[in-house]
Amino acid sequence: GAVVSQHPSRVICKSGTSVKIECRSLDFQATTMFWYRQFPKQSLMLMATSNEGSKATYEQGVEKDKFLINHASLTLSTLTVTSAHPEDSSFYICSVRGAYEQYFGPGTRLTVT
Amino acid sequence: EDKVVQSPLSLVVHEGDTVTLNCSYEVTNFRSLLWYKQEKKAPTFLFMLTSSGIEKKSGRLSSILDKKELFSILNITATQTGDSAIYLCAVNSGGSNYKLTFGKGTLLTVNP
Repeated sequence: GAVVSQHPSRVICKSGTSVKIECRSLDFQATTMFWYRQFPKQSLMLMATSNEGSKATYEQGVEKDKFLINHASLTLSTLTVTSAHPEDSSFYICSVRGAYEQYFGPGTRLTVT
Repeated sequence: EDKVVQSPLSLVVHEGDTVTLNCSYEVTNFRSLLWYKQEKKAPTFLFMLTSSGIEKKSGRLSSILDKKELFSILNITATQTGDSAIYLCAVNSGGSNYKLTFGKGTLLTVNP
C-alpha cells in the first residue's frame, strides 16, 4: 500500500493564528486525497476531498474559507486552518485514494490555546 | 444521508476470548465495506468486502458481509493484548472519488 506522511505530527498554536498541515504521498501518485477530522472517542469525519490541480470539494457544514486545501502536486496536499479557535482542536488525518481503499497518514494533533 | 452504525461501542475481554464486532449500514449506492484497525495513530487496513457470504480471513481475524441484511461482522479469535484498538467500519457508497463513510468505531480492550 501507499506510504503517507503528515507534518507536523503535533502543533500547538494560539487562538487567531493560522496553521498549515502537510500530507505527502511518498511512493504513490495521489490524484485524490481526503482530509478527516477526529474528535476524542469519535469516528473520522470527512471534511473535504482534494483532487490534484482543482478545487477541493467540502462536506456540508465545513467552512471552505476556514479550512483551506491546496493539492498542487500528485504527492502533496495541504490543509490550512485559518484564524484557529479552541474548538478547532482535533486530530486531523489525511488519506490517499488507492485502487480499492484509502491509505491513511499518521495524523496531526492540533491544539489551539 | 449514508449511515454506518457499529456495535458495541466498547468491549473489554480477556486474552484468549473470541469477539464479534458488528457493522450495519444504510447507503444509497453500496460498492464495498472496509474494516480498519486504529491504534494510536492512523487507521490500518484490514479487509475489504464486496460480495455477500464470502469470508475474508487473515490470521485470527475474519470478516463476512451480508448485503441482504446490510451488515458485516468482524471476528477475532484467541484475542491478544495487541488486538486492543479501535476497529472502524467504513462503507464506500460510490461516486468518482471513492468517498468513505465511517462508523463511530468499537473500542476493544483485551486484558491479560
